[in-house]
Amino acid sequence: AQTVTQSQPEMSVQEAETVTLSCTYDTSESDYYLFWYKQPPSRQMILVIRQEAYKQQNATENRFSVNFQKAAKSFSLKISDSQLGDAAMYFCAYAGYGNKLVFGAGTILRVKS
Amino acid sequence: GAGVSQTPSNKVTEKGKYVELRCDPISGHTALYWYRQSLGQGPEFLIYFQGTGAADDSGLPNDRFFAVRPEGSVSTLKIQRTERGDSAVYLCASSLNGAGAGTDTQYFGPGTRLTVL
Repeated sequence: AQTVTQSQPEMSVQEAETVTLSCTYDTSESDYYLFWYKQPPSRQMILVIRQEAYKQQNATENRFSVNFQKAAKSFSLKISDSQLGDAAMYFCAYAGYGNKLVFGAGTILRVKS
Repeated sequence: GAGVSQTPSNKVTEKGKYVELRCDPISGHTALYWYRQSLGQGPEFLIYFQGTGAADDSGLPNDRFFAVRPEGSVSTLKIQRTERGDSAVYLCASSLNGAGAGTDTQYFGPGTRLTVL
């Protein structure tokens, strides 16, 4: 079975600074996708970024980028120029064959002004 | 609708009671998913519908949990004989065609927080 591990329960960053959230995963599948989702206090999960495992190039979405290390099964999220609105719970998720997402336990991100 | 909606937003019930949680997916989305998020954890998959049929119910924890989607749109998650361990946020998501979680983006609702006293 696939597993996703987020080892940082909580992180803090100063506004306008950069922060990196860590994620590792385990799978025996050869083709898969990885995601970062944001969950604000409203509870509604929002897709931040998606990475296809067969693509070597790291995905980027504006201030959000990933560092995907396939051999190490590592998938970290970098948030640049952090904003107060970035404060939320962030979940790393895996999708292999099939339709379900497998989530990590989450990292709470606090942004200090 | 514009997004996935779930009702009620919060539900408090007593141990042993029956509850129904409703999900209204994005219009036109044929795939619908239920996840359960316990306190301090990430969401865990419960069940996936393609149209009216449950294509994968491998995540349902036991036979007290049941879900339906009779007309291929709205879905109801039903929990019988609730237990305190059922307390969690129940999230619903929908996607366009169920082509696979990698490419077919799942859009989540705000969830229903269930508290079993």
